[in-house]
Amino acid sequence: SQTIHQWPATLVQPVGSPLSLECTVEGTSNPNLYWYRQAAGRGLQLLFYSVGIGQISSEVPQNLSASRPQDRQFILSSKKLLLSDSGFYLCAWSLGRSGGYTFGSGTRLTVV
Amino acid sequence: GENVEQHPSTLSVQEGDSAVIKCTYSDSASNYFPWYKQELGKRPQLIIDIRSNVGEKKDQRIAVTLNKTAKHFSLHITETQPEDSAVYFCAASKEYGGATNKLIFGTGTLLAVQP
Repeated sequence: SQTIHQWPATLVQPVGSPLSLECTVEGTSNPNLYWYRQAAGRGLQLLFYSVGIGQISSEVPQNLSASRPQDRQFILSSKKLLLSDSGFYLCAWSLGRSGGYTFGSGTRLTVV
Repeated sequence: GENVEQHPSTLSVQEGDSAVIKCTYSDSASNYFPWYKQELGKRPQLIIDIRSNVGEKKDQRIAVTLNKTAKHFSLHITETQPEDSAVYFCAASKEYGGATNKLIFGTGTLLAVQP
């Protein structure tokens, strides 16, 4: 069966520090991968998605970037964190061009 | 691009009552409408979905209805129980419309079921 792993679960980082969040999927090949941010415990904002290795689409211009170095690995990064980057970051995967997503357990990021 | 609006933002019901959450979407080409439930501090989980070729779908106490003409869809929960308390998200996408099935989410509804 397919599983999605996301880490770390929580992170407290100072303003101006770098960020790296990792997501991996097991049990499937060539998944579509997504990064969402959830601010204030409510809405889900799509940040990036990827349909293959090295293929990244950005939905919202901001202080973050994403990379997909391997088929089942998706990384969210920042060179310098801002206070506004705080939130709950969720990775998700899906197959093909249909159907719903399976979400990872999320990373709660607090920038101080 | 697609825009999804969701109402109400909060909903409080008595145990055993029904709850209805409504969403509207802007892109008439959208054809896939899932609903997710997110318990406090946990990941969203898919609870039901509907495609534009049907008007209603049921799964035990949960049902979803779709009105393509009006571009709105609703989640209906009957005989609510305290464990139904959570944030519910609707979403919309165009299956097979691009390289991936990109879901656009509503802003969420906090449902509180009072025992």
